[in-house]
Amino acid sequence: DAGVTQSPTHLIKTRGQQVTLRCSPKSGHDTVSWYQQALGQGPQFIFQYYEEEERQRGNFPDRFSGHQFPNYSSELNVNALLLGDSALYLCASSTYGLDTQYFGPGTRLTVL
Amino acid sequence: EDKVVQSPLSLVVHEGDTVTLNCSYEVTNFRSLLWYKQEKKAPTFLFMLTSSGIEKKSGRLSSILDKKELFSILNITATQTGDSAIYLCAVEAGGGADGLTFGKGTHLIIQP
Repeated sequence: DAGVTQSPTHLIKTRGQQVTLRCSPKSGHDTVSWYQQALGQGPQFIFQYYEEEERQRGNFPDRFSGHQFPNYSSELNVNALLLGDSALYLCASSTYGLDTQYFGPGTRLTVL
Repeated sequence: EDKVVQSPLSLVVHEGDTVTLNCSYEVTNFRSLLWYKQEKKAPTFLFMLTSSGIEKKSGRLSSILDKKELFSILNITATQTGDSAIYLCAVEAGGGADGLTFGKGTHLIIQP
C-alpha cells in the first residue's frame, strides 16, 4: 500500500520565479492538504482540496494556488517566489470528514 | 485565532528515562487533537484523541486529553535513542475536514 508521495524531493529557485510541487495521496484517500514548514516551526496550513475544489484556506497570499486532479493527486503552485518562501512543503492526505491526516516526505524548496 | 502551544521546546534526557511532553490549545469548535513524530521530513502519525480522559497507548507511548483544561500530554517510558525526534501536537477545529493547527514541536534528544 503506497503512502503519500511527493515530488520533487529538493528544489532550488531564484526570487521571482514560479514553482510547482506535486503530491499523490495514500491509496483510498480523496482529500489533500498542503502545509509549509519553516525551519524550527510547526507546519502551517496552506489549503485543502476535495472533489477538485479548494475547501479551506489558511493565511497565505494568492501567490499560493493549487489544483486537484480526478485521480485525487494535487499540485501546489507558488508564483513570484520570495526568499521567505524557502521551507519544507508537506502534503497530507485523508478521507474527507475524517481527521487523521497522513503526511508525505515533503519537498525542500530553497529560494535564492 | 486558533493556537497550540507545546512545552518544553527542547528536552535532553538519558536512555531509559521517562519523558512527558505537553500541549495546550485554544481553538474554536474543537474536533480532535493529534500527535505526530517527525524524524527527518514526514511527520508520522502517533495518536488521535477526541474524548477527555481516555488514554491512547501504543507500546511505550501513551497520551491523554483533558478537554476541560484544554491540554494533552504525551508520555514516553523507557526512552531509547530511536525516540529522538521532534514531537508535534496538532488540533483540528471547525465543522468539517479542515486544516490542522500545529504547535512548534518539542525537540527530544535521547542520549545513550
